[in-house]
Amino acid sequence: GESVGLHLPTLSVQEGDNSIINCAYSNSASDYFIWYKQESGKGPQFIIDIRSNMDKRQGQRVTVLLNKTVKHLSLQIAATQPGDSAVYFCAENRKGSQGNLIFGKGTKLSVKP
Amino acid sequence: NAGVMQNPRHLVRRRGQEARLRCSPMKGHSHVYWYRQLPEEGLKFMVYLQKENIIDESGMPKERFSAEFPKEGPSILRIQQVVRGDSAAYFCASSPVHDPGPFGPGTRLTVL
Repeated sequence: GESVGLHLPTLSVQEGDNSIINCAYSNSASDYFIWYKQESGKGPQFIIDIRSNMDKRQGQRVTVLLNKTVKHLSLQIAATQPGDSAVYFCAENRKGSQGNLIFGKGTKLSVKP
Repeated sequence: NAGVMQNPRHLVRRRGQEARLRCSPMKGHSHVYWYRQLPEEGLKFMVYLQKENIIDESGMPKERFSAEFPKEGPSILRIQQVVRGDSAAYFCASSPVHDPGPFGPGTRLTVL
């Protein structure tokens, strides 16, 4: 399950299950959104992006959903694998801000074998 | 094609010393972005540079921090008179245009 406290929210799933990681963004002027995966000691790694004129985009085993009405973004990972264990961040790019990304706090995904 | 390179990967400084962090963008990328990450937090934007120009420094602290991206060589993030609160991971990203690009592996700065 998911818990929120002083530390990073954590999502623990069984290998093979689907994972859903949620993110609320702050500004209705944001027009581009990215999900990143960050493993311990490494830089953020691009997973998938979506522009504000779309509400869904699919990649390999990942799907991003965008709900502009409630300013909510989600990342779905199908058939979660141990290698998916990492911290996941959503980031928003406000229109005209030229690459100045605003990152969320992150969710730690833990996959149990 | 090498990715974004950062060095050093780990840097230890005593309070009051200077820290210099280097970022070599991907080949052909002329846009560089610097971000700072405190433990268990997301990345915070610091500065966006193109070759020889600072485009957006809205995230840079007003004192002690400076950044440059010269015509030749890597981009440098310089922190003068470091304090314990500067301890963090510093990441850069590069791009051929003004959209976000790939990140480097980061420099972990520890101030004693």
